[in-house]
Amino acid sequence: NAGVTQTPKFQVLKTGQSMTLQCAQDMNHEYMSWYRQDPGMGLRLIHYSVGAGITDQGEVPNGYNVSRSTTEDFPLRLLSAAPSQTSVYFCASSYSLRGYPFVEYFGPGTRLTVT
Amino acid sequence: KQEVTQIPAALSVPEGENLVLNCSFTDSAIYNLQWFRQDPGKGLTSLLLIQSSQREQTSGRLNASLDKSSGRSTLYIAASQPGDSATYLCAVKGMTGGGADGLTFGKGTHLIIQP
Repeated sequence: NAGVTQTPKFQVLKTGQSMTLQCAQDMNHEYMSWYRQDPGMGLRLIHYSVGAGITDQGEVPNGYNVSRSTTEDFPLRLLSAAPSQTSVYFCASSYSLRGYPFVEYFGPGTRLTVT
Repeated sequence: KQEVTQIPAALSVPEGENLVLNCSFTDSAIYNLQWFRQDPGKGLTSLLLIQSSQREQTSGRLNASLDKSSGRSTLYIAASQPGDSATYLCAVKGMTGGGADGLTFGKGTHLIIQP
């Protein structure tokens, strides 16, 4: 298994540009989520999904869109990039075991700079 | 809103010492608590997961405890080694989303083990 993969690893955008951060997992996990990590702020949840076709907002959803058309993929879209979105973005997936949520697996991250 | 606090923010100890990292959370309605390790510029690696009904989990030189009623967890590292140097993150999974929503993270403890 490749686990959770993210592309690209690094990206530089100009203010106002749009882009999609890709996330894929090959473990057949029903839960997927996106976090951003900023110095002094820790990791914060952006959006999450409990299965194909179902998404919901986390703590910091503004400026980001998600969709989940398949179990494997959970892309994060920045519609109009702003310098405040400069961050490291992590995708994660997890499963439930006997009805209880279990271990979260994280991707390697995408380092995004918006100028 | 759940808040997770980790103390200390940074710790530097000589190789071979036993050490304890602390984590506290404000809302005891959790499914589980996870400890992660993050190396510089890398993603997160899950170290231990404690379900809300459990008191502790052990993996090798690591032992994590959970006192849900007091909102506290500790990560005990025995016989520390320079390879243990990393940032250690504590995260809780809340019950509001039925276990499907994301984790709430602390800001981490930056650990340095001196050779």
